[in-house]
Amino acid sequence: AQKITQTQPGMFVQEKEAVTLDCTYDTSDQSYGLFWYKQPSSGEMIFLIYQGSYDEQNATEGRYSLNFQKARKSANLVISASQLGDSAMYFCAMREGLPGGYQKVTFGIGTKLQVIP
Amino acid sequence: GAVVSQHPSRVICKSGTSVKIECRSLDFQATTMFWYRQFPKKSLMLMATSNEGSKATYEQGVEKDKFLINHASLTLSTLTVTSAHPEDSSFYICSAKPPGGYEKLFFGSGTQLSVL
Repeated sequence: AQKITQTQPGMFVQEKEAVTLDCTYDTSDQSYGLFWYKQPSSGEMIFLIYQGSYDEQNATEGRYSLNFQKARKSANLVISASQLGDSAMYFCAMREGLPGGYQKVTFGIGTKLQVIP
Repeated sequence: GAVVSQHPSRVICKSGTSVKIECRSLDFQATTMFWYRQFPKKSLMLMATSNEGSKATYEQGVEKDKFLINHASLTLSTLTVTSAHPEDSSFYICSAKPPGGYEKLFFGSGTQLSVL
C-alpha cells in the first residue's frame, strides 16, 4: 500500500506567488515524522522542513511552511514568494517505526515544480 | 551544517564486477544510515536501513546477497553491488541520521552507477 501519496506530478507557479504541494500519508504509528525535500537537477537532496506527529504547531522554515492536518493525514508544503531557483522536484517523506525499534523513511513519487518568470 | 560524503559520485563498470559505494558522516555520528535507489525521474526507493554494529534491514524485494551493506563504524556505511549487471544501473543515494530525533536526515550527493 502506498505510504506517501503525492498526486501532483507537475506544478507551475508564477514567480513571487505562493504554491501548495500536496502530500497525504498512511500510517498506524502514533509517533511518526514528515519531511519535505527538494531535489534539483544536480541530484542532491536538500532538506526543507520537518513535522513531528506530536508537534502542535505547523512547522515553518523561512519561505517554507508545512500545513499539517493530522486527522486528514495530510502534510502539504507551502512555498511563499516563489523564486526561479525553487524549480525542482519536491519529495514528501515519512518516518515510521519498525519492529525492534528501528525506523525507516519512505518517499512519495515527487512533484516537479516549475517557477515561471 | 552536517555533511554526508558519498563516494564515488559516478562509476562505470563492466558486467560481473563488484562496486563499493561509501557513505560517511563527516561531523556527526550516524547510528542509522539509509540506502536508496532512484531511477530517472522517479522517487527514491528505500533499499535498506543500516544500523551500526548490526545487520541491515532490507526492504522487501531487495536482494541481500546482491546489495551488501556494512555499517562498521558510526561514521561509515558501505553498499557493495556484487556481480553488477546492466539492470543495476541507477542512482544510489545514502542518508544519515544524527543522534537524537529525526528532525533532519542528511543526504549524500549520490552515486550514478552505470554497468556496461
